[in-house]
Amino acid sequence: QVQLVQSGAEVKKPGASVKVSCKVSGYSLTELSIQWVRQAPGKGLEWMAGEITAQKFQGRVTMTEDTATNTAYLDLNSLRSEDTAVYYCATGLVGLDYWGQGTLVTVSS
Amino acid sequence: AIQMTQSPSSLSASVGDRVSITCRASQDIRKNLGWYQQKPGKAPKFLIYAASTLQSGVPSRFSGSGSGTDFTLTISSLQPEDFATYYCLQDYDYPLTFGGGTKVEIK
Repeated sequence: QVQLVQSGAEVKKPGASVKVSCKVSGYSLTELSIQWVRQAPGKGLEWMAGEITAQKFQGRVTMTEDTATNTAYLDLNSLRSEDTAVYYCATGLVGLDYWGQGTLVTVSS
Repeated sequence: AIQMTQSPSSLSASVGDRVSITCRASQDIRKNLGWYQQKPGKAPKFLIYAASTLQSGVPSRFSGSGSGTDFTLTISSLQPEDFATYYCLQDYDYPLTFGGGTKVEIK
C-alpha cells in the first residue's frame, strides 16, 4: 500500500519561497510519477505539475526527488497572496490513486 | 490545454435519489477520465478510472460512463456518506485538467 506523508503547514511572506515535501512509503519513488495539485480556499482542484509543469507555474515551480529518502519536493517561489492554498502530492498506477494529506501554505504580509 | 466543463456546479438531493454529474472535454480524450470525491478538509478520493472502471473498494452504486468528449458519473442510490464534492480529471494529455467540481448537498 502506497502512503504519502506531507510536511506541515507553512506561513510565508509575499515574495518568499516555500518547499513542500512528500515522503513516499510502500513503493519506490523511482517507479512512481508524482503529481502536485493545489486547492485555494473554497475553490476547486488545480493541477500544477507532474511530468511537466503547468504553463501558469513555469518559472516558479521546481520539483525534485531524493531517492535515498523516497521523498519528493515541490518548490514554489515568488509567492503571492493568490498562492494561499492546500498543496497535495498524488500518484498512482491508473490515476491519482494515492494522495498526501495536504499542506496548507498561507501567504500573508 | 484540454478544458473540462463539469455540470451542474451543485445539486440538492435526498438519500435514495439517483444523481448524475457530467463532464465534457474540449477535445476527444478517449476514455482517459477519472472521477474523484472530496469531503471538506480531506484529500480527494479516487473513485473511477478509464471513465467506467470502479476503483477497488468503491461501492457499486457508483458508476461511470462515456468516451470521447462526454462523460457521466452516476450514483444510483445516494447515501448519507456520498454528500461531498465530485471532480472529473482528464489524464489523456498534459497539462492534466480537472472539472470545476459538483457539490452534492442534502435536500
